Amino acid sequence: NAGVTQTPKFRILKIGQSMTLQCAQDMNHNYMYWYRQDPGMGLKLIYYSVGAGITDKGEVPNGYNVSRSTTEDFPLRLELAAPSQTSVYFCASSYRRQPQHFGDGTRLSIL
Amino acid sequence: KNEVEQSPQNLTAQEGEFITINCSYSVGISALHWLQQHPGGGIVSLFMLSSGKKKHGRLIATINIQEKHSSLHITASHPRDSAVYICAVEGETSGSRLTFGEGTQLTVNP
Repeated sequence: NAGVTQTPKFRILKIGQSMTLQCAQDMNHNYMYWYRQDPGMGLKLIYYSVGAGITDKGEVPNGYNVSRSTTEDFPLRLELAAPSQTSVYFCASSYRRQPQHFGDGTRLSIL
Repeated sequence: KNEVEQSPQNLTAQEGEFITINCSYSVGISALHWLQQHPGGGIVSLFMLSSGKKKHGRLIATINIQEKHSSLHITASHPRDSAVYICAVEGETSGSRLTFGEGTQLTVNP
């Protein structure tokens, strides 16, 4: 009964490094999302996908990339980490127009 | 002005009190969601509604589409209800994408 699994849970990066945040779901949801949550701010959509092979930008896509080669996986790539990308990242999945299921989050610090 | 506004931002209550959290939005919507974020950070969906009222245990969510307003009520509050409560809306043309409010931090003291 895994639901949405995010790895890693915590990470510290140096400016300019790259990394991939992993997200996997086992509910056969076609919709998947990446959000960032900054202190005192609402969740902001980075990228989303409505199915394998289809991705689209959300509100704050700059500095990130995604891919969706399978229904289960939706990795988020940071190519050149910047301090402004310090945040908590949440992955979520759902069926169309249904409640979203969230992962436990990845806390990322860029120094 | 944000598309989704919540009030209050912070709320402290005594155990047993009746609690109301409000959400106003400025766009046409197909659905409104209430979510709970635990102190450890995990987020769970509480309600999804597009009209009327829904109830689950001690939680009740209502929505008035004409007034673009929703409320989340907690009856007989308990310290374990302490969390951040988040309102989010699905725009009429946004598919399943959500726009989130900033959340209401609720603390229930024993």
